[in-house]
Amino acid sequence: QSALTQPASVSGSPGQSITISCTGTSSDVGSYNLVSWYQQHPGKAPKLMIYEVSKRPSGVSNRFSASKSGNTASLTISGLQTDDEAEYYCCSYGGSSNVVFGGGTKLTVL
Amino acid sequence: QVQLVQSGSELKKPGASVKVSCKSSGYTFTGYAINWVRQAPGQGLEWIGWINTDTGNPTYAQGFTGRFVFSLDTSVTTTYLQIRSLKSEDTAVYYCGRDFSWGFDYWGQGTLVTVSS
Repeated sequence: QSALTQPASVSGSPGQSITISCTGTSSDVGSYNLVSWYQQHPGKAPKLMIYEVSKRPSGVSNRFSASKSGNTASLTISGLQTDDEAEYYCCSYGGSSNVVFGGGTKLTVL
Repeated sequence: QVQLVQSGSELKKPGASVKVSCKSSGYTFTGYAINWVRQAPGQGLEWIGWINTDTGNPTYAQGFTGRFVFSLDTSVTTTYLQIRSLKSEDTAVYYCGRDFSWGFDYWGQGTLVTVSS
């Protein structure tokens, strides 16, 4: 199963909004509403930010939102803050009890 | 509170084996599967597979069958990842993560496994 495709990097200024895309196939992203997103700061474990395409776990800021259209999922961060600077990964259920991650996107807050 | 605590860093020679542990606390252990994820230096996250903590049944991702083995001990609410016949390319941080709707809501702190002669 191939990794999901994410842009290598995105950037934005404090207060702005950015969107990170995550493209899969009809066998994973397109078939299941089981896309999750993770934030990872250097040297730290990943943190769940979004599950089931667009749901936020308790404690995650509502500045983080997500959606899906066809084979592509998207994560939007509004009101960028310096602490949002991190690596972001998408992940999707791929059928047959398998999971696939995206390659990761480095967010730089200028 | 939910916690997943992993064992410490390991330095192994090529061909050796390593066993990483992940101790769960703060929830019903058998109610949630545990996943394992690998992150090589400077690289992204790679899913290794998962173990059903109720039945002990493991599922391995493509490319992780044979040398990678999951196990568990429910008496101490701990899951294990054993890697046999270590290669230099196995050098990575290994994370355990609690399954939540095919995502991972709680993660261990990571275990660095270094394979070097």
